[in-house]
Amino acid sequence: EPEVTQTPSHQVTQMGQEVILRCVPISNHLYFYWYRQILGQKVEFLVSFYNNEISEKSEIFDDQFSVERPDGSNFTLKIRSTKLEDSAMYFCASTKGIIEETQYFGPGTRLLVL
Amino acid sequence: DAKTTQPNSMESNEEEPVHLPCNHSTISGTDYIHWYRQLPSQGPEYVIHGLTSNVNNRMASLAIAEDRKSSTLILHRATLRDAAVYYCILRGSGTYKYIFGTGTRLKVLA
Repeated sequence: EPEVTQTPSHQVTQMGQEVILRCVPISNHLYFYWYRQILGQKVEFLVSFYNNEISEKSEIFDDQFSVERPDGSNFTLKIRSTKLEDSAMYFCASTKGIIEETQYFGPGTRLLVL
Repeated sequence: DAKTTQPNSMESNEEEPVHLPCNHSTISGTDYIHWYRQLPSQGPEYVIHGLTSNVNNRMASLAIAEDRKSSTLILHRATLRDAAVYYCILRGSGTYKYIFGTGTRLKVLA
């Protein structure tokens, strides 16, 4: 069964450093998402992306965050200057289209900012 | 965004049915009811979704109240692998995002 994959599974970085989290959505999917989950807290929506544009974003997704689909398979989340509070599990998800609403989530990247 | 209310935790014995309730009294006519679950250290996993009619799939059944202000996820025979946090989420037609609540932590006893 096709699945969303994410790399790396874990990343440790120093405060102020840039990080790029990578996702490979399911191949025929057109809508892509990032969510995060701070340890012990709810899963929070960050951003949705379609047709090379951000279609929706939350208040969390400020200027420090950006997303990109650099080629036909990868979808990336960049955090320009990490803060301690960015430490969280980051999940990528994808959806086939408008009619097919099920979001398929990846296993996540655990980011630790020191 | 319409809000959902779920019990914080529930317990079930293995091999028995489990009924996980969700209240969504402010649901609008175009909101779909989605259920996801999150196993320990994993990403959310789709379980089932519906709009008005009850739905069945290989994982579970979804019973939706006639006024749509509540729904129940039914696991017909709980297994130890079903121990997870179960989320009831409403998603409107004008948005693709999911708003997760705190969910129900299901514990399955052997």
